[in-house]
Amino acid sequence: EVQLLESGGGLVQPGGSLRLSCAASGFTFSSNEMSWVRQAPGKGREWVSGISSSGGSPYYADSVKGRFTISRDNSKNTLYLQMDSLRVEDTAVYYCAKGKYRSGWLIDNWGQGTLVTVSS
Amino acid sequence: EIVLTQSPATLSLSPGERATLSCRASQSVSSYLAWYQEKPGQAPRLLIYDTSNRATGIPDRFSGSGSGTDFTLTISSLEPEDFAVYYCQQRSNWPPTFGQGTKLEIK
Repeated sequence: EVQLLESGGGLVQPGGSLRLSCAASGFTFSSNEMSWVRQAPGKGREWVSGISSSGGSPYYADSVKGRFTISRDNSKNTLYLQMDSLRVEDTAVYYCAKGKYRSGWLIDNWGQGTLVTVSS
Repeated sequence: EIVLTQSPATLSLSPGERATLSCRASQSVSSYLAWYQEKPGQAPRLLIYDTSNRATGIPDRFSGSGSGTDFTLTISSLEPEDFAVYYCQQRSNWPPTFGQGTKLEIK
């Protein structure tokens, strides 16, 4: 059974940093693209960032480019999102998402999410 | 980015009826359109990918069609467990985007 367990969310002041982690199990982690998708209160889901199976090709939404860094450690089956220069508008539940094998940004499994609150 | 517009926002039907949900893209997404079902407190479930391919374990009452900018999810005969929110998603262009959802409710 595929499991994606996010951690690292919390309350942070504007301008601060957080690092999210997603521990994956139940599949061959190094074979799949992975993504972070967020949902702000009362809003739809927004793709934040994605990374290729090897980790060599990161992608970012314009809203986070230059502030967030996605990475993965295939030896630890873990996906990361380093979030710097956080803004109030980054407040959201952040979901780790597994791409369907060889299908890029097609999500076939989601984590339960971790809440990030940016507030003074 | 590509904007996906779903209609209707809410669809009220009875079990056994046929449901037709629409998703329109602001520009062509080729065939790279997927549909998800979401129920309260649960993660979204992939139903259909690449316009018309059912995901693993999805019953054949769910079907997808369309191309380019106009797509349809059809549920041939509604079961009680089908009442949920349905989202379309494109992966043709970065960033991938979701529609705002159609809520399928019991009439």
